[in-house]
Amino acid sequence: EPEVTQTPSHQVTQMGQEVILRCVPISNHLYFYWYRQILGQKVEFLVSFYNNEISEKSEIFDDQFSVERPDGSNFTLKIRSTKLEDSAMYFCATLPGQGDTEAFFGQGTRLTVV
Amino acid sequence: GNSVTQMEGPVTLSEEAFLTINCTYTATGYPSLFWYVQYPGEGLQLLLKATKADDKGSNKGFEATYRKETTSFHLEKGSVQVSDSAVYFCALPAYNFNKFYFGSGTKLNVKP
Repeated sequence: EPEVTQTPSHQVTQMGQEVILRCVPISNHLYFYWYRQILGQKVEFLVSFYNNEISEKSEIFDDQFSVERPDGSNFTLKIRSTKLEDSAMYFCATLPGQGDTEAFFGQGTRLTVV
Repeated sequence: GNSVTQMEGPVTLSEEAFLTINCTYTATGYPSLFWYVQYPGEGLQLLLKATKADDKGSNKGFEATYRKETTSFHLEKGSVQVSDSAVYFCALPAYNFNKFYFGSGTKLNVKP
């Protein structure tokens, strides 16, 4: 069964450092999303990406965040200067296209900022 | 915009008890509705879905019926097991699929 793959599974970084979280979407999926979940809390939308551009972003997704598809397959989330409050699980999700289908989620990257 | 309201947890039940987790929604049109499950330390997995009014989604003994008249999609299971202990999220997409809205999650603890 096809799946969304995220790397790394766990990343520890020092405050102020840049991190890049990687996602390999399911082949032929068209919509890509990043969500985050602070430990034990709700799932928060960060950004969606379609047709090689951001289609929507939340207020969490400020200038410190960026997304791209550097090689047409991987989908990355960059945090330029991490803060302690960026510590969370980050989930990538993908969707084949509009219609009656669900989003497929990766296993997540646990980011710990120290 | 669309939104989801989910009952607060945690919910603690004994094995073989009946489970209901309430979910109500607000939506433009009639989007598909989903229940996702998150087992400890893992990502979100689709549990079940319903694509139109009166549809019943089912999987692993769980069921939920898309009720247009009450704008609800309550999750039920007749007899829970310890292995069902997890966090359950109700969800629906935005009309343009630019995001999925998630409820706040309900943690289920099942005791032997």
